[in-house]
Amino acid sequence: GAVVSQHPSRVICKSGTSVKIECRSLDFQATTMFWYRQFPKQSLMLMATSNEGSKATYEQGVEKDKFLINHASLTLSTLTVTSAHPEDSSFYICSAYDGKSTDTQYFGPGTRLTVL
Amino acid sequence: GENVEQHPSTLSVQEGDSAVIKCTYSDSASNYFPWYKQELGKRPQLIIDIRSNVGEKKDQRIAVTLNKTAKHFSLHITETQPEDSAVYFCAASIGYKLSFGAGTTVTVRA
Repeated sequence: GAVVSQHPSRVICKSGTSVKIECRSLDFQATTMFWYRQFPKQSLMLMATSNEGSKATYEQGVEKDKFLINHASLTLSTLTVTSAHPEDSSFYICSAYDGKSTDTQYFGPGTRLTVL
Repeated sequence: GENVEQHPSTLSVQEGDSAVIKCTYSDSASNYFPWYKQELGKRPQLIIDIRSNVGEKKDQRIAVTLNKTAKHFSLHITETQPEDSAVYFCAASIGYKLSFGAGTTVTVRA
């Protein structure tokens, strides 16, 4: 149980375009999901907390108009990187609580974004 | 916010030896401390966790200790094997938010 999926696993796009990443909880309902960014050889940095049916909460320094988050259902959250630039190239990972534990987060497999 | 420091940044051990990674946290309100293992290009995988009402927890070759007074916690891996080679992250949680350490790259030499 507690499986989180992400799609796509890899995406390459041109500078200035937008990219949407999906995060799904496959076998449980997730009222709260999290989006992280991880640069090479660095740690995971929390970008935002995605709450089903309400606006996301962004961490300090994360541009909410650039990283659009939508959590329209209990099993799906999306992250859209708008007007992507090469510096947005990174590994984006989502996570979710399984609804049984208030602590344990389960991570998706990540999405490797490369902006040319 | 919470600040988690992790040491060492790299650790090389001989197969069969033990590996120890240490983390400190800043906010005494943190109450949940998971450890994740991440292989290159893969998702972080939870390997063990401990809550603030427990001082030690063990799962086969892996153990975690927590000292709330000193605000530090440690991961111990015994009888290391080549498949233990990976990046290990500690984290501390207040409520729903996880703050991660910088990571430790563990290399197990055969």
